[in-house]
Amino acid sequence: EVQLVESGGGLVKPGGALRLSCAASGFFSSEYGMNWVRQAPGKGLEWVASILSDDQYIYYTDSMKGRLTISRDNAKNSVYLHMDRLTPEDTAVYYCARKLDTALGDWFDSWGQGTLVIVSS
Amino acid sequence: DIQMTQSPSFLSASVGDRVTISCRASRSVSTFLNWYQKKPGKAPDVLIYAASTLQDGVPSRFSGSGSGTDFTLTINNLQPEDFATYYCQQSYNMPFSFGPGTKVEIK
Repeated sequence: EVQLVESGGGLVKPGGALRLSCAASGFFSSEYGMNWVRQAPGKGLEWVASILSDDQYIYYTDSMKGRLTISRDNAKNSVYLHMDRLTPEDTAVYYCARKLDTALGDWFDSWGQGTLVIVSS
Repeated sequence: DIQMTQSPSFLSASVGDRVTISCRASRSVSTFLNWYQKKPGKAPDVLIYAASTLQDGVPSRFSGSGSGTDFTLTINNLQPEDFATYYCQQSYNMPFSFGPGTKVEIK
């Protein structure tokens, strides 16, 4: 069974940093594009970052560019999102999602349960 | 970047109703358009990919159509478990932007 489990969220002060983890099971995360999507309280879904299967292509949302690093550890079958200089506007539930690539297109077919990040003094 | 819009942002409907949600892209995304359902406290679930293909396990009362810039999600015979927020997402190019969502509530 495909499963994604996020961890690492919590309360952090403005200007602080946090590293989120996404542990995959039931498949090899190295073979897929892996993504982070967030949802701020009362807001919609916002794509945050992607690392494609060959690791050559990494993308970040403009709203957090320069403050994010997405990476993966294939030995641990995990993906990470390091976030720097956090602001209260970064408060959100952060989801890890697997991207399925097909001839018909790409979509996020499996998601974790999310990890809550609260940025507050 | 491609911007996505949805209408309406909110709709009130009754069990058994037919509901239609629209999604528009700022430029053509061909049929690289996905629909997700999001319930509070739960992860999103993909309903439809490639504009009109139903994800395995999704009830056939859900359907999608469209191409280019204009897309539609239709829910026939609305069921209690369908009350949720629905998001479109383009996967034509990065960033894979989402629409702002349409919240479907019980009338």
